Amino acid sequence: AQKVTQAQTEISVVEKEDVTLDCVYETRDTTYYLFWYKQPPSGELVFLIRRNSFDEQNEISGRYSWNFQKSTSSFNFTITASQVVDSAVYFCALSVYSGGSNYKLTFGKGTLLTVNP
Amino acid sequence: GAGVSQSPRYKVAKRGQDVALRCDPISGHVSLFWYQQALGQGPEFLTYFQNEAQLDKSGLPSDRFFAERPEGSVSTLKIQRTQQEDSAVYLCASSSMGGNTDTQYFGPGTRLTVL
Repeated sequence: AQKVTQAQTEISVVEKEDVTLDCVYETRDTTYYLFWYKQPPSGELVFLIRRNSFDEQNEISGRYSWNFQKSTSSFNFTITASQVVDSAVYFCALSVYSGGSNYKLTFGKGTLLTVNP
Repeated sequence: GAGVSQSPRYKVAKRGQDVALRCDPISGHVSLFWYQQALGQGPEFLTYFQNEAQLDKSGLPSDRFFAERPEGSVSTLKIQRTQQEDSAVYLCASSSMGGNTDTQYFGPGTRLTVL
């Protein structure tokens, strides 16, 4: 069975601070995908980033960056120079093959990020 | 282009009533997923369609839950004889194909409150 753990329930920062959201995953599959989604107060889950299990290269995309380490089963997400508009719940998710072309997502419980002006 | 849309956005039902929740996926997307999100929790998988075929319904919590996608586009999630524990946000997602290389794009959800 798959499991995603987001140990941080809530984080509060002041605008322009950097913030890292932690994610630890569990799976026995060797092929899998990891995602980060953002859920603002409007409720819609917004896709942010995706990484597959064979690519541990860490990247930066604008103010977003991520650190994927298979050795520790972690997939952490960093926002640089946070802004008030970044305030949302952030979900880490894991996708593995579940048969019949199904790649359902297993989500963590989410981290509520509040960026204060 | 248009994203995933869901209707209604909010639904209040009395315990025992039947409800139907609609999902319009992104045009041309083959795969469609339904998730249930309880308050303060992450979404949990309910069921999966590839075109009109329901290939996985392992997440449906009871036989009161039924989903269909008869023409391979619009999908309806139906809940019969609603119970208070059914109160949640129901999210629909679609992806272009069925592989794990595909990102699932989510709709705004339907918030169901059962009184």
